[in-house]
Amino acid sequence: DGGITQSPKYLFRKEGQNVTLSCEQNLNHDAMYWYRQDPGQGLRLIYYSQIVNDFQKGDIAEGYSVSREKKESFPLTVTSAQKNPTAFYLCASSIWRGTDTQYFGPGTRLTVL
Amino acid sequence: DAKTTQPPSMDCAEGRAANLPCNHSTISGNEYVYWYRQIHSQGPQYIIHGLKNNETNEMASLIITEDRKSSTLILPHATLRDTAVYYCIVRVAWGAQKLVFGQGTRLTINP
Repeated sequence: DGGITQSPKYLFRKEGQNVTLSCEQNLNHDAMYWYRQDPGQGLRLIYYSQIVNDFQKGDIAEGYSVSREKKESFPLTVTSAQKNPTAFYLCASSIWRGTDTQYFGPGTRLTVL
Repeated sequence: DAKTTQPPSMDCAEGRAANLPCNHSTISGNEYVYWYRQIHSQGPQYIIHGLKNNETNEMASLIITEDRKSSTLILPHATLRDTAVYYCIVRVAWGAQKLVFGQGTRLTINP
């Protein structure tokens, strides 16, 4: 069954701790993305990656880090430098050629206690 | 990306067609119209997209006016599971581009 998986679905973190959110896709997509969504708000792009071992900052990259060691995986680390990390985090992927439709995972809801 | 305007909310009876309008009067010639929906606490789901011709898939139909300044998403036989926020987005289709979601239309399907 092809798709994008994110884990965990819910995550609780103490203030000052780093936490890593997982995103895996088996769609053979080249590009992957991380967005953040706050209640009642639209999506904001954190990071994106077009190919393995390469990624670019989005609009709100401060306090976040990513890696792209494998085509199918794009983990996001929320560091203690992120001032307001409580949010709904969404991972997406797309092919890099042709119509670049982005497909989303189910999301991870992060709550900082 | 061009800006879109959607009604904040709509209601539709179960089994009827739901017609969701979107205005995008500043759309450029190389920009597509995309529709996504988001059910509460889930990731956005891609529905359909088009450039200038009408499009249909297993989920919905997309009708784009000849001047491309507006479009309508049609869910032919709405069910309760179609209750969601629907987002109309215009963007170029090529390359890694962030998706800019506006406020969308909150569609409620009533039994």
